[in-house]
Amino acid sequence: AQSVTQPDIHITVSEGASLELRCNYSYGATPYLFWYVQSPGQGLQLLLKYFSGDTLVQGIKGFEAEFKRSQSSFNLRKPSVHWSDAAEYFCAVVAAGNKLTFGGGTRVLVKP
Amino acid sequence: EPEVTQTPSHQVTQMGQEVILRCVPISNHLYFYWYRQILGQKVEFLVSFYNNEISEKSEIFDDQFSVERPDGSNFTLKIRSTKLEDSAMYFCASSEGRSSYNEQFFGPGTRLTVL
Repeated sequence: AQSVTQPDIHITVSEGASLELRCNYSYGATPYLFWYVQSPGQGLQLLLKYFSGDTLVQGIKGFEAEFKRSQSSFNLRKPSVHWSDAAEYFCAVVAAGNKLTFGGGTRVLVKP
Repeated sequence: EPEVTQTPSHQVTQMGQEVILRCVPISNHLYFYWYRQILGQKVEFLVSFYNNEISEKSEIFDDQFSVERPDGSNFTLKIRSTKLEDSAMYFCASSEGRSSYNEQFFGPGTRLTVL
């Protein structure tokens, strides 16, 4: 069965600093991978997705993620965070039937 | 921009009571989903629904749960006899198609508290 691990529960970063959120997956076939963001009171919003092709994927809000098959990872990055990036971030893999399996989430706090 | 909406935002109920959580998916979407997140745990898939039938359900989705599309716009999750462990955030989602390529759009969630 597929699974997703996000090793960091909380990350605190200064505004303007770079951000990297880790995600490791376990899946028997070629994975379809996603990053979602949840701001307070909001639903889960898709940041980016990887299906195939270029392993560096660009998303919305200046985020990117890199798929590394050898490391079973799909880490999310942003070069310079803004206060509005404070949120919870979820990595997910999709199985047959479009059923998403999520990681535990990483809560990002942004210091002024 | 079209969005998925959910009502209520917070529901408090007594153990053993029935609750109905409501969702309005995006209007041209055909596939609907419920997920839940118990506090401090992962978001978990409950059920997917298409053409007035359950497409897939998880082991969590036992006989106390049911889903329905009672009219052309609403998609509901009913919990027949709530238990303390049903306290969670429940997310509805919808997608145009069933393929993994089809993005699921999520609502803001309903926080269910069972006392």
